[in-house]
Amino acid sequence: AQRVTQPEKLLSVFKGAPVELKCNYSYSGSPELFWYVQYSRQRLQLLLRHISRESIKGFTADLNKGETSFHLKKPFAQEEDSAMYYCALSPSGTYKYIFGTGTRLKVLA
Amino acid sequence: EPEVTQTPSHQVTQMGQEVILRCVPISNHLYFYWYRQILGQKVEFLVSFYNNEISEKSEIFDDQFSVERPDGSNFTLKIRSTKLEDSAMYFCASTPPRGEPLHFGNGTRLTVT
Repeated sequence: AQRVTQPEKLLSVFKGAPVELKCNYSYSGSPELFWYVQYSRQRLQLLLRHISRESIKGFTADLNKGETSFHLKKPFAQEEDSAMYYCALSPSGTYKYIFGTGTRLKVLA
Repeated sequence: EPEVTQTPSHQVTQMGQEVILRCVPISNHLYFYWYRQILGQKVEFLVSFYNNEISEKSEIFDDQFSVERPDGSNFTLKIRSTKLEDSAMYFCASTPPRGEPLHFGNGTRLTVT
């Protein structure tokens, strides 16, 4: 079955601390993986996708096929990073995107 | 930057009533989607739409749901006879080709009483 797992519902870190939001997926093919972010009172928006291999707002995510993971990392968290983060998988040959349950990141001053 | 727009932002309806949720996707996008998020739960795929027909739907998208693109700009989700468990945030999204990142609207909060 195709599934995205985000084991942490809530992650609290202090400003300046490193952040890692975990995402594991279950999919037998070559995955297209994304991280979406939802700031308070705003729409879901793309943060980054694995094929672009870029850093957005200091965040990076590396696809690890061996561990079937796509964890989101940032070396130094900022208060404005506080938001809901969703990992999503787009299986090849389908039109749907499968989302994880999301992790709420709280960055404390 | 162009955005997906959804109306209304909040809809309250009584159980058994029909509701229509409206979306205007980004104009040059070809694929349209509806997702929903029940409070505290994950974002769930409902349906995708391409070339004026449903391209894929989930098991949630049963006979009480339908989608339509009545003109060149609107994309609607109709729920024929609402149930309490239909209460959720409904998100419309669009993409240029398939596999590109989703562009989401702000969502419509549907409350069924």
